[in-house]
Amino acid sequence: EVQLVESGGGLVQPGGSLRLSCAASGFTFSSYWMHWVRQAPGKGLVWVSRINSDGSYTTYADSVKGRFTISRDNAKNMVYLQMNSLRAEDTAVYYCARWGWSSAWYYFDYWGQGTLVTVSS
Amino acid sequence: DIQMTQSPSSLSASVGDRVTITCRASQSINSYLNWYHQKPGKAPKLLIYGASSLQSGVPSRFSGSGSGTDFTLTISSLQPEDFATYYCQQSYSTPWTFGQGTKVEIK
Repeated sequence: EVQLVESGGGLVQPGGSLRLSCAASGFTFSSYWMHWVRQAPGKGLVWVSRINSDGSYTTYADSVKGRFTISRDNAKNMVYLQMNSLRAEDTAVYYCARWGWSSAWYYFDYWGQGTLVTVSS
Repeated sequence: DIQMTQSPSSLSASVGDRVTITCRASQSINSYLNWYHQKPGKAPKLLIYGASSLQSGVPSRFSGSGSGTDFTLTISSLQPEDFATYYCQQSYSTPWTFGQGTKVEIK
């Protein structure tokens, strides 16, 4: 069974840092790209970042570029999101999601339960 | 960035009703369109990928159609467990973007 379990969320002051973790199990982790998607309270889904299967390529949403860093450890089946210079507008539930595929199609086929990040003084 | 616009933003329906949700992309995305639903406090769940392919394990009352810029998600006979918020998402180009969501409520 595929499982994604996020951790590391919490309350942080504006300008602070936080590191989110996502533990993956039940599939060959090193074969999949992984993503972070966030959802502000009562709002919709927003893609944040992605990392390729071996960790050599990353992409970010403009809103977090230069502040957030995605990384992975295939030996530990973990993906991380280092968040620096946090702002109030970064307050959200952060989901780790697997990028699945079938033929030519790509999609988020498994999601973690999410971890809440609150940026407030 | 490709903008995804869903309509309606919310709807009220009864068990057994046929429900249709539309999603429009700001430019052509071929059939790179996925549908998810999300229940309160839970993670999103994939329903449809490639505009019309049913994800494994998803009931056949869900179907998707469309290509280019206009897409539709149809629930043929609404069930109690289908009351949720539905999102479309384009996988044509980064940044991957979602519609604003359609909340399906009990009438």
